[in-house]
Amino acid sequence: AQSVAQPEDQVNVAEGNPLTVKCTYSVSGNPYLFWYVQYPNRGLQFLLKYITGDNLVKGSYGFEAEFNKSQTSFHLKKPSALVSDSALYFCAVTSGGSYIPTFGRGTSLIVHP
Amino acid sequence: NAGVTQTPKFQVLKTGQSMTLQCAQDMNHNSMYWYRQDPGMGLRLIYYSASEGTTDKGEVPNGYNVSRLNKREFSLRLESAAPSQTSVYFCASSDTGQGLYGYTFGSGTRLTVV
Repeated sequence: AQSVAQPEDQVNVAEGNPLTVKCTYSVSGNPYLFWYVQYPNRGLQFLLKYITGDNLVKGSYGFEAEFNKSQTSFHLKKPSALVSDSALYFCAVTSGGSYIPTFGRGTSLIVHP
Repeated sequence: NAGVTQTPKFQVLKTGQSMTLQCAQDMNHNSMYWYRQDPGMGLRLIYYSASEGTTDKGEVPNGYNVSRLNKREFSLRLESAAPSQTSVYFCASSDTGQGLYGYTFGSGTRLTVV
């Protein structure tokens, strides 16, 4: 069985400061990891993915994520937060043997001016 | 714009009524999914279709049925709506079952059952 944990329901950060949204996972086999963002009253939008290769993955809107196999983590990061980054962020995982993506419960990111 | 289109966007049902949520994608994706989103619960998979002609149950299939009408369309039916089915429903599609290029989501259907 595969699972994803987002340990923080909410993350607060001041504009201009770096941000981190945490995600840990559990799968059998090699993981395929994703981050999505959801703005109010909208569907989820793809941000970035890790399939294989470099552990640091760069995605849309200046976001990046670091795959850490030993810690089974895939934390989302951004060097300088913007107020417009405020949204709900979801981590997701599939593996080589599964068609079904499993999503975390989501983390609400609030960036204060 | 290319993507996943869901209809309707909003719906209010009375307990016991039935309805079908429609979903269509124009990206030639093989796999399609229905999720529900509830506060504090994240996204939970209701049903999915790995390819045209196949459907399988997800985590929370009770009270729902689906039809993969063709490669483009994947509908979700509530035969007898219950207040517990009040939720936001999202349809998604992917190029392969593992979504190696990511999943594309529709904008959602907000359903209230009274």
